[in-house]
Amino acid sequence: SQQGEEDPQALSIQEGENATMNCSYKTSINNLQWYRQNSGRGLVHLILIRSNEREKHSGRLRVTLDTSKKSSSLLITASRAADTASYFCATDSNYQLIWGAGTKLIIKP
Amino acid sequence: DAGVIQSPRHEVTEMGQEVTLRCKPISGHNSLFWYRQTMMRGLELLIYFNNNVPIDDSGMPEDRFSAKMPNASFSTLKIQPSEPRDSAVYFCASSPTGNTEAFFGQGTRLTVV
Repeated sequence: SQQGEEDPQALSIQEGENATMNCSYKTSINNLQWYRQNSGRGLVHLILIRSNEREKHSGRLRVTLDTSKKSSSLLITASRAADTASYFCATDSNYQLIWGAGTKLIIKP
Repeated sequence: DAGVIQSPRHEVTEMGQEVTLRCKPISGHNSLFWYRQTMMRGLELLIYFNNNVPIDDSGMPEDRFSAKMPNASFSTLKIQPSEPRDSAVYFCASSPTGNTEAFFGQGTRLTVV
């Protein structure tokens, strides 16, 4: 079953704009992760945020976590054409990761 | 390390044939996952191994699917007999532990005609 649910399902923005994607989940977690998947490729880990953290940065990525609302957001600043991909959140559940359906991000030149 | 290695990258087979997908996880990782991805169903966990032992195979769709991990450096996913609805991209992923960062292979795109 899917725990993480991303929204929006699809997002199309102009290059240079910021992109924000959200993830909601249902049960308590130890950590939440964001992954990127380029078309036809495997998923690539972007960032992990632990349940006791509220915000984390990595380059142009900013992730927030609100455990009271069971939600997380991924912000990509100054988007580039190369950011075009699908983005997935994954929450831990015992021994495995539970995946959302993903947000398809398109950056228009 | 070359990362998680899957083979073949593409497989086209006829309905009823046996298909075997292969995976070499990253050395030192004790968790291995097989996933299936389709447009309709998204990313589905098929089976999870920990230290070469299958822990959860509840995601395996039916008895036609089987997976083995004979040692820490190799796993197979077999479909026998294959059906057109098995067409999907199959990913193998490994992780130092089950719920931390997962490293994915490039996937095997399976087409059953």
